[in-house]
Parts: sequence; structure tokens; C-alpha cells
Amino acid sequence: QKEVEQNSGPLSVPEGAIASLNCTYSDRGSQSFFWYRQYSGKSPELIMSIYSNGDKEDGRFTAQLNKASQYVSLLIRDSQPSDSATYLCAVNGPGTASKLTFGTGTRLQVTL
Amino acid sequence: KAGVTQTPRYLIKTRGQQVTLSCSPISGHRSVSWYQQTPGQGLQFLFEYFSETQRNKGNFPGRFSGRQFSNSRSEMNVSTLELGDSALYLCASSPGTRQETQYFGPGTRLLVL
Repeated sequence: QKEVEQNSGPLSVPEGAIASLNCTYSDRGSQSFFWYRQYSGKSPELIMSIYSNGDKEDGRFTAQLNKASQYVSLLIRDSQPSDSATYLCAVNGPGTASKLTFGTGTRLQVTL
Repeated sequence: KAGVTQTPRYLIKTRGQQVTLSCSPISGHRSVSWYQQTPGQGLQFLFEYFSETQRNKGNFPGRFSGRQFSNSRSEMNVSTLELGDSALYLCASSPGTRQETQYFGPGTRLLVL
């Protein structure tokens, strides 16, 4: 079993719709969770971090964390063509300092 | 604040050669982590340096090494390059306390021929 799993996609949503990206992780001791966005040929860019159960909102983005189910999600409201990118889920476990374990990413396509 | 910088941005090497990549973290950040990104394996952790000491290490062979200087700048070295080392090498910086957010540099794209 992979440590961090994501559906590779592509996930295709029309402009203006809500995009829902999901991520599961295997280490129950994981404490920090991050969503990064990566455009083709570019480096990952941080979108959201979340540390406790529940929802965290930042503009059009909402991260949701459920530690009991070992599940993290990212909702993108009012999706725009500029949101088309690969979204990487990253997890940092206990005692692992700054070692992020990444999922393979979900490719999102926002269509006109 | 200036972001994370990496040099060079692109490199072409041949098998058997060695390469050194450089990373300057965000001012005030003391932790530098290195990652390798390939289409097949995704983003994988190489190692992390904090206060000139390697604090964490991933599952890469000893050909991959690094160091950190007193000004927090870091270098990574790959010796005896193999074709499979072709990848995007990313450096990320963070303040240095555990669990906090990491910010990535633009990366160095290495092609081994």
C-alpha cells in the first residue's frame, strides 16, 4: 500500500463548478497535511496546510481533514481554467522532521 | 522576502560524471530539504539539513549526498551519474521547527545522457 494515495485523474470539471480532490494516507501518526499545486514544468506551489480535523477555508479553496478515516480533501469552488494543474497531497508524520511524503498527484482540467 | 533560489536551472551531464546543485533558502529559514521528481516515481524525499547537520534522510543510494553551510545555503552532490538520475531536483526551505510548511524553489532539471 502506498503511503499517500491520490487518484491520478484527469479530473475534468466545467468552469465555475466545484472540483473535489481526494487523498488518503496510511500513517495514523501523521500530523501535518498540505496541498500543493504544480503547473507543467514548474515547481510545487503551496495552496493550503491543515493540521486538525475539520475544514479550513482560504478564498476559493477549502481543505478538509478526517484523521479517523485518514482522509484529506481539497475543494476548489468556482473553478477557473487557470486552476488546471496537478494537485499534490503531502503528509508530514511525527518525528520525521521536514520529510514530506507526497502522493502522485491528481491532474485537474477545467474546461470552458 | 526573496523566495528559494536554485542554481543551475538546467544541466546536461553524461553517465559517470558528478554534479553539484545549489540551493539558497528563504532568508531566516534554517531547514533545507531536497526532493527528486521523476514521472515514474513522483516526488521523493532525499534529505534534510538543519543547522549544518543532516536531520533526516530518504531511501537513496550513497551516491547522493549533501551539505549545508553556516548561512543555511545547501548543496547536493550526485556522483557517478546514471541515466535514471535524470529528474527535476527540488529544494524546499522552512523555518526549521518541525511540521511546518515547506516552500519550494524553481528546481534544477538534470538530464543524464
